[in-house]
Amino acid sequence: AQKITQTQPGMFVQEKEAVTLDCTYDTSDPSYGLFWYKQPSSGEMIFLIYQGSYDQQNATEGRYSLNFQKARKSANLVISASQLGDSAMYFCAMREDNNNDMRFGAGTRLTVKP
Amino acid sequence: DSGVTQTPKHLITATGQRVTLRCSPRSGDLSVYWYQQSLDQGLQFLIQYYNGEERAKGNILERFSAQQFPDLHSELNLSSLELGDSALYFCASSVGLTSGQETQYFGPGTRLLVL
Repeated sequence: AQKITQTQPGMFVQEKEAVTLDCTYDTSDPSYGLFWYKQPSSGEMIFLIYQGSYDQQNATEGRYSLNFQKARKSANLVISASQLGDSAMYFCAMREDNNNDMRFGAGTRLTVKP
Repeated sequence: DSGVTQTPKHLITATGQRVTLRCSPRSGDLSVYWYQQSLDQGLQFLIQYYNGEERAKGNILERFSAQQFPDLHSELNLSSLELGDSALYFCASSVGLTSGQETQYFGPGTRLLVL
């Protein structure tokens, strides 16, 4: 069964600094997608970035980038130049091509300090 | 704004009651997914519909059911409600059926409180 692990329950970062949120996954399916979502205190789930298992390059979306290490089964989210508005819960998720069930990690609560 | 709408935003009800949550997917999306987010279980996939047909089932209780209508909106019905059903229920949508490579966009959620 697919499993997503986020080992950091909480992280702190100084405003304007970069931060890395860890995510490891477990799957035997060669084809899958990895996703990161942000959940601010208001509750909505905001899509941030996507990485396909066959993508050769790391995904980037503005200040977000995904450090994809396929052999290590890790998909860490890097947020550059942190802003106060980045304070939120961040969830890593995976969905296999052979399984419609998207699984989420437990999340990491990021706090950006002024 | 993801383009996915959910109503109501908040719902307070009593144990044993039945409620219906409604979701409208993004324009052009054929797949709708329902998720439950609770403090103890985290985010759990409940069920997926594609163009009106059920496609995948996750950890959905028998007391819960869903359907997707011809206009592609979906409803999640929760019956014989228990205190433990209190949670944030999300609807998400995606273009089609291509699973792993497809991004799901989430609605704002319905916060259900069972008293």
